[in-house]
Amino acid sequence: GAVVSQHPSWVICKSGTSVKIECRSLDFQATTMFWYRQFPKQSLMLMATSNEGSKATYEQGVEKDKFLINHASLTLSTLTVTSAHPEDSSFYICSARDLLAGGTTSTDTQYFGPGTRLTVL
Amino acid sequence: SQQGEEDPQALSIQEGENATMNCSYKTSINNLQWYRQNSGRGLVHLILIRSNEREKHSGRLRVTLDTSKKSSSLLITASRAADTASYFCATDRSGSGSRLTFGEGTQLTVNP
Repeated sequence: GAVVSQHPSWVICKSGTSVKIECRSLDFQATTMFWYRQFPKQSLMLMATSNEGSKATYEQGVEKDKFLINHASLTLSTLTVTSAHPEDSSFYICSARDLLAGGTTSTDTQYFGPGTRLTVL
Repeated sequence: SQQGEEDPQALSIQEGENATMNCSYKTSINNLQWYRQNSGRGLVHLILIRSNEREKHSGRLRVTLDTSKKSSSLLITASRAADTASYFCATDRSGSGSRLTFGEGTQLTVNP
């Protein structure tokens, strides 16, 4: 089955520093990856859509200069949380669509990474 | 804002019993998907049901979709302690470019 990995699985950083999170599709190519954040005991909130070779599309209310997204290849997207503050502490999860399997939206399946827990002190 | 609403928010049952979770949404969809999340972990895809389908089965899972009522249900039969997890529905809304909107989730606890 399709596997998506994230690195690191957890990170603790000081306020004001930047943190980069990687999302990789291991056995398939993904033109589109999605980034979500999840606060404790809450649901997933879509932050942005990462498109290979083009700019990311951000959801309303998500600061693009705060959360930098780069999708440099068909298997890798990165999310950088810049100048992190304690309120950015959250569980960040990515997902990826299989390029070959996602021919029509009616058959689309997204595969999720295991998540990255960010704690900003 | 989250489109999906799920009920119940929490469900506690005994092993062997069936568990039913419901999800409602507000706009037209291409498909609806159910995911499972163990505490502090990523999501596992359970089942996808298309807008033109009414029912789908996968092992002990049964999903129904009623587009006229904009609702779906997930039934887990003969539950096991290992089924304890949070369950989320997610809708792929028409014209959304496959962006998923997640419901609030149901925390299922199966007691041995």
